[in-house]
Amino acid sequence: AQSVTQLDSQVPVFEEAPVELRCNYSSSVSVYLFWYVQYPNQGLQLLLKYLSGSTLVKGINGFEAEFNKSQTSFHLRKPSVHISDTAEYFCVLQGGSEKLVFGKGTKLTVNP
Amino acid sequence: SQTIHQWPATLVQPVGSPLSLECTVEGTSNPNLYWYRQAAGRGLQLLFYSVGIGQISSEVPQNLSASRPQDRQFILSSKKLLLSDSGFYLCAWSVGTSGQETQYFGPGTRLLVL
Repeated sequence: AQSVTQLDSQVPVFEEAPVELRCNYSSSVSVYLFWYVQYPNQGLQLLLKYLSGSTLVKGINGFEAEFNKSQTSFHLRKPSVHISDTAEYFCVLQGGSEKLVFGKGTKLTVNP
Repeated sequence: SQTIHQWPATLVQPVGSPLSLECTVEGTSNPNLYWYRQAAGRGLQLLFYSVGIGQISSEVPQNLSASRPQDRQFILSSKKLLLSDSGFYLCAWSVGTSGQETQYFGPGTRLLVL
């Protein structure tokens, strides 16, 4: 069975501070990993994805994530957050089929 | 470029009433289409997916159904809504047959059943 665990349900930070949203996964097959962002009352927007190659993946809005196969992690980072980054972030796994496995989400709140 | 539309954006329906949510994709042919539900505190759940016209796979037993009357149109329906059907419904699309395609999501429909 495949699973995704987002270790923090809520992360409050101050503006311009760095942030890391943690994600661990479990799978018996090779996986593709994604981070999606959901702004209030909107659909999901793809932030970045890891398919193969370099383990450091850069996405939109200054976010990046690092795939760590030995630790089965795919943590999302941003060196300096803005108020506009306040949203819910989902770590998603795809392995062996078209079906996605979603984490429960992490709500990032950026305070002034 | 590809775009995905969902309507209505919000819907309030009484228990026992019918439901029809529509999703259309523009700018691509023969997409894979998906319906997800996002219930409060429960993450996203895949309800249906379709790899072609008239081809629907159901992931969970429920009182909802899906249809794909045209290549780029995906409809979610119910004959009688339940309170538990309330949630945020997201349509998504992808292209390809390897099972490794990136999915792109629509803006969603918020459904409240009273």
